[in-house]
Amino acid sequence: DTEVTQTPKHLVMGMTNKKSLKCEQHMGHRAMYWYKQKAKKPPELMFVYSYEKLSINESVPSRFSPECPNSSLLNLHLHALQPEDSALYLCASSQSYGPGTPYGYTFGSGTRLTVV
Amino acid sequence: GNSVTQMEGPVTLSEEAFLTINCTYTATGYPSLFWYVQYPGEGLQLLLKATKADDKGSNKGFEATYRKETTSFHLEKGSVQVSDSAVYFCALSGGFGNEKLTFGTGTRLTIIP
Repeated sequence: DTEVTQTPKHLVMGMTNKKSLKCEQHMGHRAMYWYKQKAKKPPELMFVYSYEKLSINESVPSRFSPECPNSSLLNLHLHALQPEDSALYLCASSQSYGPGTPYGYTFGSGTRLTVV
Repeated sequence: GNSVTQMEGPVTLSEEAFLTINCTYTATGYPSLFWYVQYPGEGLQLLLKATKADDKGSNKGFEATYRKETTSFHLEKGSVQVSDSAVYFCALSGGFGNEKLTFGTGTRLTIIP
């Protein structure tokens, strides 16, 4: 299995809703990432988990809450989002996270989120 | 910090034309370099990579050579196809304290039959 699976593929939520994005990989990778991508822009890093511990939080607002229940799963809990949070949310994984990581990342297909 | 400068797009070529997308970088130490491709409505796919100077990454007819003297990692393909139409991102992963993947702005490529 060489994939990162993200669910759901599309999500529409109101500003008062609570929802979760899910990401799963079975490649034995020990680093997992959440990225946000706006239209016609490169992905922006949100969070890095290394060995199931949060390593990096790129000053993301608290309405985004990541969770890594085990080495294969990564969740992103969403609460009280704003319309400007509408974007493609990408999950990725790599063998590890460290200097000059030579492995490259495997990305999922993303969840296209619309906040109304 | 690290940065990647990528050729401005969009780029439109005819089928079977030669492709070059320029990428230069700024980084301390010895970063690893990558090209990712994003097809419409999809996530990013790793196209090729190089981890040290003079390494050549190649995949699906695409090539890029890690040139430390010019801090470049230009993407080339000898004969493009309509199916190559996508957005291409150059990226690097740096040394200690700069490990995160840094992307260029992306180049949208359209191939016309």
